[in-house]
Amino acid sequence: NAGVTQTPKFRILKIGQSMTLQCTQDMNHNYMYWYRQDPGMGLKLIYYSVGAGITDKGEVPNGYNVSRSTTEDFPLRLELAAPSQTSVYFCASSLGGEAFFGQGTRLTVV
Amino acid sequence: QQQVKQSPQSLIVQKGGISIINCAYENTAFDYFPWYQQSPGKGPALLIAIRPDVSEKKEGRFTISFNKSAKQFSLHIMDSQPGDSATYFCAPPDMRFGAGTRLTVKP
Repeated sequence: NAGVTQTPKFRILKIGQSMTLQCTQDMNHNYMYWYRQDPGMGLKLIYYSVGAGITDKGEVPNGYNVSRSTTEDFPLRLELAAPSQTSVYFCASSLGGEAFFGQGTRLTVV
Repeated sequence: QQQVKQSPQSLIVQKGGISIINCAYENTAFDYFPWYQQSPGKGPALLIAIRPDVSEKKEGRFTISFNKSAKQFSLHIMDSQPGDSATYFCAPPDMRFGAGTRLTVKP
């Protein structure tokens, strides 16, 4: 059972470029989340989804977009990357309160 | 607005000591109280959780205790080991994690 899979694991972007962080879960969970974690800091919720076709903003949504066309996939889109978006990004899914996290994507914007 | 307040922000314990981390909450409708552990370079993972119908749950060296009247739940790590060094998070139902507690266990 793969759980939550994130790709890529590492990425370097130039300022102004765009990219999509992929997240897939195989546990048939309705709830999915995107977080960012800056060095030495906690987790900040970017966006979340309660099911296919339904997404909502979290604490820090500016500069990001999401979509949820299937239960399995919850991609995070960065448009016009900025140095402030340098962070580690985690995707998670949950069922009954228990969350399962991916291994993260380390993104550097230069 | 954070639904939980976690303390302390950081904790240093000697090997073999007891680590205690607290989480206070406001919403009495909460029905699930989890603790997550995040080891360096990894995503958080569920460590232990409790439902409000019990006051304590023990799994090995880890114990979660629940005080309904004080609206608080705590994580106790007995015989703390250097391998327990990690960041610990309590998580509210809205999944808006706080800053966590960074635990360092010194050998």
